[in-house]
Amino acid sequence: AQSVTQLDSHVSVSEGTPVLLRCNYSSSYSPSLFWYVQHPNKGLQLLLKYTSAATLVKGINGFEAEFKKSETSFHLTKPSAHMSDAAEYFCVVSLYGNKLVFGAGTILRVKS
Amino acid sequence: KAGVTQTPRYLIKTRGQQVTLSCSPISGHRSVSWYQQTPGQGLQFLFEYFSETQRNKGNFPGRFSGRQFSNSRSEMNVSTLELGDSALYLCASSLTSGSDYNEQFFGPGTRLTVL
Repeated sequence: AQSVTQLDSHVSVSEGTPVLLRCNYSSSYSPSLFWYVQHPNKGLQLLLKYTSAATLVKGINGFEAEFKKSETSFHLTKPSAHMSDAAEYFCVVSLYGNKLVFGAGTILRVKS
Repeated sequence: KAGVTQTPRYLIKTRGQQVTLSCSPISGHRSVSWYQQTPGQGLQFLFEYFSETQRNKGNFPGRFSGRQFSNSRSEMNVSTLELGDSALYLCASSLTSGSDYNEQFFGPGTRLTVL
């Protein structure tokens, strides 16, 4: 069965420093992977998606993720954190059709 | 272009009652999916509707049901409410179904509290 594991439930960084949110996946074939962000009291927004066209995927707001098949990882990074990045981030794998399987989430805290 | 809208935004019910939540997808989108978000279980897939037909179903009891209308609007119903049904219910719409790379657009959710 396809699943994702987010390795950190909370990550705290200082504004202007790099962000790394870790995600490992389990899949019997080439997966479809996504990162979504959820700000407090708001819906989920797609940050980026892996479509197998390129292993390095660029998303919105300066985020990017690299698909590494050998490590079964899809970590999310950003070179420099901004206060507005504080939110909960979900690594997601897509099953048949539009069924999404979400990781447990990582809450990102950005300190000033 | 208007986003996904969900009504009501907040709802308080008591155990044993039933509730109906509504979702209006983005214009032109034909697929609507529902998810339940709780602190303990996280985000879980409930079901997906496409062209008025249920395409996919998650692992939830039969008390959870849904339907889709010809204009793609969808409703989900929960009967005989239990305390554990308290959650944020999210609706997502996308253009089509059956592809791995459909971007889904989420609504703000309906916060259901069961007392």
